[in-house]
Amino acid sequence: GDSVTQMEGPVTLSEEACLTINCTYTATGYPSLFWYVQYPGEGLQLLLKATKADDKGSNKGFEATYRKETTSFHLEKGSVQVSDSAVYFCALSEANFNKFYFGSGTKLNVKP
Amino acid sequence: DAGVTQSPTHLIKTRGQQVTLRCSPKSGHDTVSWYQQALGQGPQFIFQYYEEEERQRGNFPDRFSGHQFPNYSSELNVNALLLGDSALYLCASSLFGTGDNEQFFGPGTRLTVL
Repeated sequence: GDSVTQMEGPVTLSEEACLTINCTYTATGYPSLFWYVQYPGEGLQLLLKATKADDKGSNKGFEATYRKETTSFHLEKGSVQVSDSAVYFCALSEANFNKFYFGSGTKLNVKP
Repeated sequence: DAGVTQSPTHLIKTRGQQVTLRCSPKSGHDTVSWYQQALGQGPQFIFQYYEEEERQRGNFPDRFSGHQFPNYSSELNVNALLLGDSALYLCASSLFGTGDNEQFFGPGTRLTVL
């Protein structure tokens, strides 16, 4: 069945450091891939998405590229800020099903 | 434009009781999905409603049931509550059949079972 695996946290970085959160997936079809962010006490917010192979999603300085050959969708940011501290979830959705499979989440702590 | 709303925000119940959680989808959306997020875990898909019918279901027992109303709002019911049902319950709305499968999430209802 479909599944998502992402690196365990927490990840602790200093402000302006580079960020990579690894995400790999298993899917039977051709899924869309997503990164969601969850701030303390809040629900999930869509950060970025990619709907087909080689697409790059980007938002707020974050980016991720849909790599079908490695079944990966790693999240990257060149310079993190304290305000980026949150839990990040990688997710996939099979085409036309709207059912999401989420990874277990990676907590990011950014220190001033 | 109101996003996805859920009520109540928090709820405390005891084992064996029943609970009903409510969700109103984002304006223009017709599909509602429910997820359970245990502490420190990613959300797990419970089920999805479209056209007032359950269309898909995750690996949850029959104690979890739902309903969708003609205005697309939805309820999640959990019977015979167990301690393990304590979690954040998230509702997500979307437009059925769209190619990008984007879902919008509500803030969640925090259920505590004592």
